[in-house]
Amino acid sequence: DTGVSQDPRHKITKRGQNVTFRCDPISEHNRLYWYRQTLGQGPEFLTYFQNEAQLEKSRLLSDRFSAERPKGSFSTLEIQRTEQGDSAMYLCASSLRGQGYEQYFGPGTRLTVT
Amino acid sequence: AQSVTQLDSHVSVSEGTPVLLRCNYSSSYSPSLFWYVQHPNKGLQLLLKYTSAATLVKGINGFEAEFKKSETSFHLTKPSAHMSDAAEYFCVVSDLGSSNTGKLIFGQGTTLQVKP
Repeated sequence: DTGVSQDPRHKITKRGQNVTFRCDPISEHNRLYWYRQTLGQGPEFLTYFQNEAQLEKSRLLSDRFSAERPKGSFSTLEIQRTEQGDSAMYLCASSLRGQGYEQYFGPGTRLTVT
Repeated sequence: AQSVTQLDSHVSVSEGTPVLLRCNYSSSYSPSLFWYVQHPNKGLQLLLKYTSAATLVKGINGFEAEFKKSETSFHLTKPSAHMSDAAEYFCVVSDLGSSNTGKLIFGQGTTLQVKP
């Protein structure tokens, strides 16, 4: 399968614990995006990488959130000291170029914080 | 700033009848617009996109959308609904801010129900 993959698909954690999600984009795509989707809402942008550089972060991304994309390949999104409000679907997408070019989405990681 | 408004949160149609999902956009620039579909427990799939070429855009599975600048609309249509079309549909605009990241701005979504 040459699509975007994400791991894990589901994560249940207790409040206060740290979690890390991984995204593997389509191999030739240099742009990678993270979005968050809560129940009944459309996805909201979190952060964007072009190659290994993180070029934009949303105000939604508090200082408990950090994302990396070493060597411009896979990306990780870490949430420290999770809170119940972090419960959501975390989506990763990749694109070959920017504006006007379609983004391909992974299946998402569903996080539940108890 | 760009934004999209989906005018219906829920649309119900009978199988074999036409589908219309409405979307209005707001943009200071010539926008890039998309429709994505999300089936339960599946990832977002691109249906179609508009990027300033033909105003009538054809997508997958028989869906079409027409870009109307005068009405700032990008409504999604299909002549005949199938049961498999039941899903959540998102109207999306690509951000055209100075950063030119191409990040997507999603509408709230429209749930399409198809009755037998």
